[in-house]
Amino acid sequence: QSVLTQPPSASGTPGQRVTISCSGSSSNIGSNTVNWYQQLPGTAPKLLMYSNNQRPSGVPDRFSGSKSGTSASLAISGLQSEDEADYYCAAWDESLNGFWVFGGGTKLTVL
Amino acid sequence: EVQLVESGGGLVQPGGSLRLSCAASGFTFSSYDMHWVRQATGKGLEWVSEIGSAGDTYYLGSVKGRFTISRENAKNSLYLQMNSLRAGDTAVYYCARDPWGSGALDIWGQGTMVTVSS
Repeated sequence: QSVLTQPPSASGTPGQRVTISCSGSSSNIGSNTVNWYQQLPGTAPKLLMYSNNQRPSGVPDRFSGSKSGTSASLAISGLQSEDEADYYCAAWDESLNGFWVFGGGTKLTVL
Repeated sequence: EVQLVESGGGLVQPGGSLRLSCAASGFTFSSYDMHWVRQATGKGLEWVSEIGSAGDTYYLGSVKGRFTISRENAKNSLYLQMNSLRAGDTAVYYCARDPWGSGALDIWGQGTMVTVSS
Protein backbone atom coordinates (compact mmCIF):
# COMPACT_ATOMS: atom_id res chain seq x y z
CA GLN A 1 0.00 0.00 0.00
CA SER A 2 1.63 3.24 -1.18
CA VAL A 3 1.47 6.43 0.86
CA LEU A 4 0.35 8.28 -2.28
CA THR A 5 -2.71 6.79 -4.00
CA GLN A 6 -2.99 6.62 -7.77
CA PRO A 7 -5.52 4.76 -9.93
CA PRO A 8 -3.83 1.58 -11.22
CA SER A 9 -4.92 2.23 -14.78
CA ALA A 10 -6.15 4.90 -17.16
CA SER A 11 -6.91 4.93 -20.86
CA GLY A 12 -7.81 7.17 -23.74
CA THR A 13 -7.88 7.37 -27.48
CA PRO A 14 -5.45 9.40 -29.61
CA GLY A 15 -6.16 13.09 -29.35
CA GLN A 16 -8.11 12.80 -26.10
CA ARG A 17 -7.27 14.45 -22.80
CA VAL A 18 -6.65 12.19 -19.82
CA THR A 19 -6.02 13.01 -16.19
CA ILE A 20 -4.17 10.95 -13.59
CA SER A 21 -4.80 11.70 -9.93
CA CYS A 22 -2.51 11.36 -6.93
CA SER A 23 -3.99 11.53 -3.45
CA GLY A 24 -1.95 12.04 -0.31
CA SER A 25 -2.19 13.66 3.09
CA SER A 26 -1.19 16.74 5.04
CA SER A 27 2.25 15.26 5.76
CA ASN A 28 3.18 14.91 2.10
CA ILE A 29 1.25 16.56 -0.74
CA GLY A 30 -0.52 18.90 1.67
CA SER A 31 2.77 20.53 2.68
CA ASN A 32 5.20 19.81 -0.13
CA THR A 33 5.46 19.98 -3.90
CA VAL A 34 4.74 17.05 -6.20
CA ASN A 35 6.89 15.57 -8.95
CA TRP A 36 5.76 13.25 -11.74
CA TYR A 37 7.69 10.58 -13.65
CA GLN A 38 7.01 8.68 -16.85
CA GLN A 39 8.39 5.17 -17.27
CA LEU A 40 8.25 3.58 -20.68
CA PRO A 41 8.38 -0.25 -20.76
CA GLY A 42 11.84 -1.59 -19.99
CA THR A 43 13.41 1.81 -19.36
CA ALA A 44 14.40 3.98 -16.42
CA PRO A 45 11.92 6.61 -15.19
CA LYS A 46 12.00 10.08 -16.71
CA LEU A 47 11.20 13.31 -14.87
CA LEU A 48 8.00 14.68 -16.40
CA MET A 49 6.93 17.44 -14.01
CA TYR A 50 8.47 19.03 -10.92
CA SER A 51 7.30 21.51 -8.29
CA ASN A 52 3.68 20.64 -9.09
CA ASN A 53 3.50 22.20 -12.54
CA GLN A 54 6.98 22.84 -13.95
CA ARG A 55 8.05 20.99 -17.08
CA PRO A 56 11.72 20.09 -17.53
CA SER A 57 13.27 21.11 -20.80
CA GLY A 58 12.12 18.84 -23.61
CA VAL A 59 8.80 17.79 -22.11
CA PRO A 60 5.95 18.77 -24.46
CA ASP A 61 3.41 21.30 -23.23
CA ARG A 62 0.74 18.64 -23.76
CA PHE A 63 1.70 17.61 -20.24
CA SER A 64 0.54 19.76 -17.32
CA GLY A 65 0.42 19.37 -13.57
CA SER A 66 -1.62 20.84 -10.74
CA LYS A 67 -2.03 20.53 -7.00
CA SER A 68 -4.87 21.36 -4.66
CA GLY A 69 -4.82 20.60 -0.96
CA THR A 70 -3.68 17.01 -0.46
CA SER A 71 -4.16 15.93 -4.08
CA ALA A 72 -2.33 16.44 -7.33
CA SER A 73 -3.09 15.70 -10.97
CA LEU A 74 -1.23 15.13 -14.18
CA ALA A 75 -3.08 15.98 -17.38
CA ILE A 76 -2.10 14.84 -20.86
CA SER A 77 -3.84 16.52 -23.76
CA GLY A 78 -3.68 15.47 -27.41
CA LEU A 79 -2.92 11.91 -26.34
CA GLN A 80 -0.40 10.09 -28.53
CA SER A 81 0.50 6.41 -28.80
CA GLU A 82 3.97 7.11 -27.42
CA ASP A 83 2.40 8.34 -24.19
CA GLU A 84 1.55 4.75 -23.29
CA ALA A 85 3.61 4.23 -20.14
CA ASP A 86 3.52 4.03 -16.36
CA TYR A 87 3.20 7.34 -14.50
CA TYR A 88 4.27 7.95 -10.91
CA CYS A 89 3.73 10.88 -8.56
CA ALA A 90 6.20 11.58 -5.76
CA ALA A 91 6.53 13.92 -2.79
CA TRP A 92 8.43 14.43 0.45
CA ASP A 93 6.64 13.04 3.50
CA GLU A 94 7.40 14.76 6.78
CA SER A 95 6.40 11.90 9.04
CA LEU A 96 8.89 9.45 10.60
CA ASN A 97 11.86 11.85 10.27
CA GLY A 98 11.03 12.43 6.62
CA PHE A 99 11.32 10.33 3.50
CA TRP A 100 10.43 10.47 -0.19
CA VAL A 101 7.31 8.63 -1.26
CA PHE A 102 6.06 7.50 -4.64
CA GLY A 103 2.56 6.70 -5.71
CA GLY A 104 1.80 3.14 -6.75
CA GLY A 105 1.84 4.11 -10.40
CA THR A 106 -0.79 4.40 -13.12
CA LYS A 107 -0.54 2.41 -16.33
CA LEU A 108 -1.79 4.54 -19.20
CA THR A 109 -3.10 2.68 -22.23
CA VAL A 110 -3.68 4.47 -25.54
CA LEU A 111 -6.53 2.63 -27.22
CA GLU B 1 26.95 13.72 -22.08
CA VAL B 2 25.37 13.65 -18.63
CA GLN B 3 25.30 10.03 -17.54
CA LEU B 4 24.92 7.71 -14.56
CA VAL B 5 26.02 4.09 -14.76
CA GLU B 6 25.27 1.62 -11.97
CA SER B 7 27.17 -1.57 -11.26
CA GLY B 8 27.62 -4.16 -8.53
CA GLY B 9 24.28 -5.95 -8.66
CA GLY B 10 23.98 -9.71 -8.58
CA LEU B 11 22.68 -12.74 -6.73
CA VAL B 12 23.26 -12.88 -2.98
CA GLN B 13 21.97 -15.13 -0.23
CA PRO B 14 19.68 -13.79 2.51
CA GLY B 15 21.77 -12.17 5.19
CA GLY B 16 24.52 -11.37 2.72
CA SER B 17 26.02 -8.08 1.59
CA LEU B 18 26.45 -6.23 -1.65
CA ARG B 19 27.92 -2.88 -2.62
CA LEU B 20 26.38 -0.94 -5.48
CA SER B 21 28.28 1.75 -7.34
CA CYS B 22 27.09 4.58 -9.55
CA ALA B 23 29.58 6.32 -11.82
CA ALA B 24 28.66 9.87 -12.79
CA SER B 25 29.96 11.80 -15.80
CA GLY B 26 29.21 14.97 -17.70
CA PHE B 27 28.39 17.17 -14.69
CA THR B 28 29.90 18.48 -11.45
CA PHE B 29 29.00 15.49 -9.30
CA SER B 30 30.01 17.09 -5.99
CA SER B 31 27.36 19.82 -6.38
CA TYR B 32 24.35 17.53 -6.51
CA ASP B 33 22.23 15.58 -4.08
CA MET B 34 22.00 11.95 -5.18
CA HIS B 35 19.43 9.21 -4.58
CA TRP B 36 18.94 5.47 -4.83
CA VAL B 37 15.49 4.26 -5.94
CA ARG B 38 14.49 0.63 -6.40
CA GLN B 39 11.82 -1.23 -8.32
CA ALA B 40 10.85 -4.84 -7.77
CA THR B 41 9.86 -6.72 -10.92
CA GLY B 42 6.38 -5.69 -12.00
CA LYS B 43 6.06 -3.27 -9.07
CA GLY B 44 6.25 0.47 -8.55
CA LEU B 45 9.11 2.75 -7.62
CA GLU B 46 10.37 2.86 -4.04
CA TRP B 47 12.80 5.50 -2.74
CA VAL B 48 15.68 3.98 -0.77
CA SER B 49 18.17 6.65 0.23
CA GLU B 50 19.54 10.15 -0.41
CA ILE B 51 22.86 11.83 0.19
CA GLY B 52 23.15 15.57 0.01
CA SER B 53 26.00 17.48 -1.54
CA ALA B 54 27.16 18.23 2.01
CA GLY B 55 27.07 14.54 2.95
CA ASP B 56 23.81 14.50 4.91
CA THR B 57 21.99 11.18 4.52
CA TYR B 58 18.40 9.95 4.59
CA TYR B 59 16.98 6.42 4.48
CA LEU B 60 13.77 4.50 3.94
CA GLY B 61 12.73 3.12 7.32
CA SER B 62 12.97 -0.53 6.28
CA VAL B 63 16.63 -0.18 5.20
CA LYS B 64 17.87 2.10 7.99
CA GLY B 65 20.65 0.38 9.89
CA ARG B 66 21.23 -2.12 7.07
CA PHE B 67 22.07 0.13 4.09
CA THR B 68 24.66 2.91 3.97
CA ILE B 69 24.81 5.52 1.24
CA SER B 70 28.09 7.30 0.58
CA ARG B 71 29.84 9.31 -2.08
CA GLU B 72 33.40 9.84 -3.25
CA ASN B 73 33.44 13.15 -5.09
CA ALA B 74 37.05 12.76 -6.25
CA LYS B 75 35.94 9.66 -8.17
CA ASN B 76 32.52 11.03 -9.22
CA SER B 77 30.98 8.01 -7.58
CA LEU B 78 27.97 7.16 -5.45
CA TYR B 79 27.71 3.96 -3.42
CA LEU B 80 25.12 1.91 -1.59
CA GLN B 81 26.46 -0.64 0.90
CA MET B 82 23.72 -3.17 1.56
CA ASN B 83 24.04 -5.55 4.52
CA SER B 84 21.70 -8.12 6.07
CA LEU B 85 19.91 -8.44 2.78
CA ARG B 86 16.40 -9.85 2.66
CA ALA B 87 14.24 -11.32 -0.09
CA GLY B 88 12.19 -8.13 -0.01
CA ASP B 89 15.26 -6.15 -1.12
CA THR B 90 15.19 -7.90 -4.51
CA ALA B 91 14.78 -5.20 -7.15
CA VAL B 92 16.41 -3.13 -9.83
CA TYR B 93 18.33 -0.34 -8.11
CA TYR B 94 18.61 3.01 -9.86
CA CYS B 95 20.81 5.94 -8.92
CA ALA B 96 19.46 9.36 -9.79
CA ARG B 97 20.51 13.01 -9.69
CA ASP B 98 18.58 15.65 -7.75
CA PRO B 99 19.52 19.06 -9.21
CA TRP B 100 17.45 21.23 -6.89
CA GLY B 101 17.49 19.23 -3.66
CA SER B 102 13.74 18.90 -4.10
CA GLY B 103 13.50 15.22 -4.92
CA ALA B 104 12.90 15.97 -8.58
CA LEU B 105 15.25 13.39 -10.11
CA ASP B 106 16.26 14.58 -13.54
CA ILE B 107 18.91 12.04 -14.55
CA TRP B 108 18.64 8.29 -13.93
CA GLY B 109 20.99 5.41 -14.55
CA GLN B 110 19.97 2.25 -16.36
CA GLY B 111 19.68 0.29 -13.12
CA THR B 112 21.40 -2.76 -11.64
CA MET B 113 19.56 -5.90 -10.58
CA VAL B 114 19.89 -7.22 -7.04
CA THR B 115 18.47 -10.68 -6.33
CA VAL B 116 18.36 -11.97 -2.76
CA SER B 117 17.69 -15.69 -2.79
CA SER B 118 19.03 -18.95 -1.43
